[in-house]
Amino acid sequence: EVQLLESGGALVQPGGSLRLSCAASGFTFSSNDMTWVRQAPGKALEWVSSINHNGANTFYVDSVKGRFTISRDNSKNTLYLQMNSLRPEDTAVYFCAKHVAGINSATNDWGQGTRVTVS
Amino acid sequence: DIVMTQSPDSLAVSLGERATINCKSSQSVLLSSNNKNYLAWYQQKSGQPPRLLIYWASTRQSGVPDRFSGSGSGTDFTLTISSLQAEDVAVYYCQQGYSNPYTFGQGTKLEIK
Repeated sequence: EVQLLESGGALVQPGGSLRLSCAASGFTFSSNDMTWVRQAPGKALEWVSSINHNGANTFYVDSVKGRFTISRDNSKNTLYLQMNSLRPEDTAVYFCAKHVAGINSATNDWGQGTRVTVS
Repeated sequence: DIVMTQSPDSLAVSLGERATINCKSSQSVLLSSNNKNYLAWYQQKSGQPPRLLIYWASTRQSGVPDRFSGSGSGTDFTLTISSLQAEDVAVYYCQQGYSNPYTFGQGTKLEIK
């Protein structure tokens, strides 16, 4: 059974930093492209960042470019999102998700999310 | 950026009736080299993460009931629930995977009439 477990969410002041983690199990993590999606309170889903299976290619939404860094450690089956210079508008539940195939494909497994509050 | 626009924003349908949700992209999400539409549909129930229903516009994800179907190509897509069940109450999102950023629609809230 695929499991994705996010952690690292917290209350942080504007300008602060957080590192989110997503521990993966139940599949061959090193073979799968991964993504972070966020959802602000009462709002729609927003794609944030994606990384290919070996970490060589990364993609970001414009609003987080230069502030967030996606990475992965395939030896630890873990996905990360380093979040710097946090803003109130980054307040959201952050989900990690696994792709069906490549980054352009849909995401068929999601974690429960971790809450980030910037205030 | 590709803008995804869903309609309607909310929908109330009687149990057993058909529900139809539309999604329009600001540019085509059909890749001609493989004839795939990079369009997915997700269901999100209250307090839960999204669940993949449909990918490549019309391929049902494993385990999804066959009352859910997806159709469309290019810029216009539809999610149809053929016979609404109580457990289908949720917000439904479309998402394009054609080009970065991989944008979602604003969501359609589906309720029971």
